[in-house]
Amino acid sequence: AQSVTQLGSHVSVSEGALVLLRCNYSSSVPPYLFWYVQYPNQGLQLLLKYTSAATLVKGINGFEAEFKKSETSFHLTKPSAHMSDAAEYFCAVSDNAYGGSQGNLIFGKGTKLSVKP
Amino acid sequence: KAGVTQTPRYLIKTRGQQVTLSCSPISGHRSVSWYQQTPGQGLQFLFEYFSETQRNKGNFPGRFSGRQFSNSRSEMNVSTLELGDSALYLCASSLVSRGGETQYFGPGTRLLVL
Repeated sequence: AQSVTQLGSHVSVSEGALVLLRCNYSSSVPPYLFWYVQYPNQGLQLLLKYTSAATLVKGINGFEAEFKKSETSFHLTKPSAHMSDAAEYFCAVSDNAYGGSQGNLIFGKGTKLSVKP
Repeated sequence: KAGVTQTPRYLIKTRGQQVTLSCSPISGHRSVSWYQQTPGQGLQFLFEYFSETQRNKGNFPGRFSGRQFSNSRSEMNVSTLELGDSALYLCASSLVSRGGETQYFGPGTRLLVL
């Protein structure tokens, strides 16, 4: 069975500081990994997706994530936080994403990011 | 280009009733996925349709069903509603292009079961 653990339900950073949101996964097969963002009172948005092509995945809005198999991690980072990054971020894992499908996604509980001026 | 639209945006039902939610994907998108979001259970994947066929299904009881029409519009049905079905139901459409894959979400339908 697959699972996702997001460490820290709330993370607070100062504007301009590094953003690091942690995600660890469990999967019995090579996983597909995703990060989604949900801005206040808005719908979800796909930030980035790992499908085994490259371990460092670049997404939208300056975010990137690195797949580390040995650590079963897929942490999300951004070098410099903006106020507009304040949102809730969800990590997700799937075992059968292909051909445009996300597969059977299992989501983490989410991490709320606050950005202080 | 219009985004993903979901109707209705808000809905109030009582226990035991059934409900149908609608999702219209972005023009040209053939994949539609449904998700449930609640404070307690968080985000959960319901099912995905592609070209009128269910391609993937999450771990939900049979009361939850869906379908997709030839124009890619999708409907989700929940029968015999329970209080725990109160949630935000999100729909997303996907397009695979040479530039990669893109997935867009609608604003959601907020269902309250009394």
